[in-house]
Amino acid sequence: QVQLQESGPGLVKPSETLSLTCTVSGYSISSGYYWGWIRQPPGKGLEWIGSIYHSGSTYYNPSLKSRVTISVDTSKNQFSLKLSSVTAADTAVYYCAKIRRSGAFDIWGQGTMVTVSS
Amino acid sequence: QSVLTQPPSVSGAPGQRVTISCTGSSSNIGAGYDVHWYQQLPGTAPKLLIYGNSNRPSGVPDRFSGSKSGTSASLAISGLQAEDEADYYCQSYDSSLSGYVFGTGTKVTVL
Repeated sequence: QVQLQESGPGLVKPSETLSLTCTVSGYSISSGYYWGWIRQPPGKGLEWIGSIYHSGSTYYNPSLKSRVTISVDTSKNQFSLKLSSVTAADTAVYYCAKIRRSGAFDIWGQGTMVTVSS
Repeated sequence: QSVLTQPPSVSGAPGQRVTISCTGSSSNIGAGYDVHWYQQLPGTAPKLLIYGNSNRPSGVPDRFSGSKSGTSASLAISGLQAEDEADYYCQSYDSSLSGYVFGTGTKVTVL
C-alpha cells in the first residue's frame, strides 16, 4: 500500500531555511496525483502549505507563498519542502500527504516535528 | 487562516449521536467544492474519515456519516464509542484563496 515518510532536521535556527523531504513508497509519483504539505503548530489546527503535481506544477498557500518552494524528484520518488526565513511561528509538526482527485488528503505521513530556535 | 468554522468541542455519552458542523462561505462550501473530514487521535497524523461530502473510505465504520447543504457541512457520529474521542477537522477548497482550507477543529469527548 502507499506509504509516505517525512525526513529532515528537527531543529532550525531563526532566519534560516527549513528543508523537508517526503519519500513515497508503494506508488510511483510520476503516475499521477497531487502531493501536499500540511503543518500543525503545537496545540493548534491544520494549515495547508502547498501542493505539487508530478509534472512539477505547484500551488501554495497565499500566506506562505513568498517563502515556500515545493519540488518533486520522480527518480527518487520524493517531493520536498523548503520554507525560508523561518521564525518561531513556523514551529510545527509537518505532514506530507497524497491528494485524491476530489481534493481529499487520503494518505498521510506520520509527521515530523520541526522546532525553530537558536 | 481558518475560513471554515467548527464548534471547539462537542460531547456525548457512549451510544449517543453527536454532530459537528462546518460553516463556510460562498467561496468554498457554498461554491460547490467538496467537503472532507478527518479524525486525529492524540499524537497521531490525521486520518481521512469522509471524502466528497458523504463517502467513507474502506475501513471507516458506517457510524460516521457526512452531509452538505448550502454553505455548511456536518459530520455525524452515531453510537458514540470511547475510541471516537479525538479531534475532527473539515476541509475544502477556497476559490478566493486558490487553495485548500481546513476547519478550526472540534474536540469530541465521550462522557
